[in-house]
Amino acid sequence: QKEVEQNSGPLSVPEGAIASLNCTYSDRGSQSFFWYRQYSGKSPELIMFIYSNGDKEDGRFTAQLNKASQYVSLLIRDSQPSDSATYLCAVPHSNYQLIWGAGTKLIIKP
Amino acid sequence: EPEVTQTPSHQVTQMGQEVILRCVPISNHLYFYWYRQILGQKVEFLVSFYNNEISEKSEIFDDQFSVERPDGSNFTLKIRSTKLEDSAMYFCASSEPLAEAHEQYFGPGTRLTVT
Repeated sequence: QKEVEQNSGPLSVPEGAIASLNCTYSDRGSQSFFWYRQYSGKSPELIMFIYSNGDKEDGRFTAQLNKASQYVSLLIRDSQPSDSATYLCAVPHSNYQLIWGAGTKLIIKP
Repeated sequence: EPEVTQTPSHQVTQMGQEVILRCVPISNHLYFYWYRQILGQKVEFLVSFYNNEISEKSEIFDDQFSVERPDGSNFTLKIRSTKLEDSAMYFCASSEPLAEAHEQYFGPGTRLTVT
C-alpha cells in the first residue's frame, strides 16, 4: 500500500517568517511530487511540482526533494496571512492517479 | 487562463437516486480524472480516463459509478443509486500528457449531499 504522510498540524507561523512543510512517501520508485494548496471548502490548487533531487524555487515557494530519505518539503518565505490554508502533498502512482497526504493546516499569524 | 469547470456546484439528492456530475476539462488536455473528498478527510482517487476508456479505477469506483465523455468537451460521473456515504466533494481534474510532470489541474468541485 503506497502511502504519503504529512503532519496534520496546525502549524502556526508569524507573518513574514518561513513556513516549512514536510511530506514523506513510502514508494521508493516515485518520480515526481506535487504540492497543492487547499483553502477551506475549495478545490486543490497546484503550487509546485518537483522530480529532481535538490531544490526548486518559484517566487516565495521552494520545494526540496530528497529521494534517498523519501521526503519532500515545501518552504514558504515571507509568509502572508493569505498563505493560511491546508497544504497537500501528492505522489503519482501508476497511470498518474495521485496518492494524497492528509494535508498540513498552516496558519499565518499577523 | 484555461480552467476546469464543474456543474453543479452543489447537488442535493435523496438516497437511491441517480446523479450526474459534469465537468469540462481544459481543452487541450487528454487525461481526465475524478477524485472525491469526504469532509475532513483525504482526497481519494476514483477513476482516470484516457482515449475514451477508463485507464484506472480505485476500489471506491464500483458498479454504482460510471464515467462518460459524451462529446468533445464534457466528462461526466454518474452515480446510479446514491448512498448516504457518497456525500462528499467531487473534483474533476485534467492533465496534458506532454506536460513536464503530467501535472493535474482541478475544477472547483461539486458538493454532493445525499439525504
